[in-house]
Amino acid sequence: QSALTQPASVSGSPGQSITISCTGTSSDIGGYDYVSWYQQHPGKAPKLMISNVSDRPSGISNRFSGSKSGNTASLSISGLQAEDEADYYCSSYTSRTTLIFGGGTKVTVL
Amino acid sequence: EVQLLESGGGLVQPGGSLRLSCAASGFTLSTHAMTWVRQAPGKGPEWVATITSSDERTYYGDSVKGRLTISRDNSKDTLHLQMNSLRVEDTAVYYCARSFRGVLINFDCWGQGTLVTVSS
Repeated sequence: QSALTQPASVSGSPGQSITISCTGTSSDIGGYDYVSWYQQHPGKAPKLMISNVSDRPSGISNRFSGSKSGNTASLSISGLQAEDEADYYCSSYTSRTTLIFGGGTKVTVL
Repeated sequence: EVQLLESGGGLVQPGGSLRLSCAASGFTLSTHAMTWVRQAPGKGPEWVATITSSDERTYYGDSVKGRLTISRDNSKDTLHLQMNSLRVEDTAVYYCARSFRGVLINFDCWGQGTLVTVSS
């Protein structure tokens, strides 16, 4: 099963807003509200930022928000900060009872 | 504090075996579905296997099915991954992760990872 499609990189200046897309199919993103987003800094384990498309776990800043339309999910980061510079991965439950991840998006704060 | 600590990684030859462990602390392992996720150098994460909390049903990624086996010892709050018939492409950092709700989703706690290198 192919990975979900994410842009390789997204950049923005401090204080700006950015959006990362994650495109799948009707067998994964489009079929279930089980999209998660993870942030990963170099050499560290991934960190859950968004669950179930748009839920923020306790302790996650409200600058992070998630949404979905059809087969595409999105992660938005508002008020971009230097600490947001990291790799971001989406994941989705699938109709085959498996989990797939996106290829990852490198966020650069200019 | 909720923590996961992996161990057991190392260098192994192609065709060899390895057993990874993941010790949980700060929570009761038996109440959560648990998952192994791996990440090859410079690549994105790849889901490997999941075991449910109640009936210990298991699910595997296509690339590891029949070679890797996930199990849990609730009495010791420990998760395992038995890895047989290892291939060069299994080289990766292996993370264990907890689902805070549901199965195969919402991994709210991750270990620090253990590196498995398959090479001759």
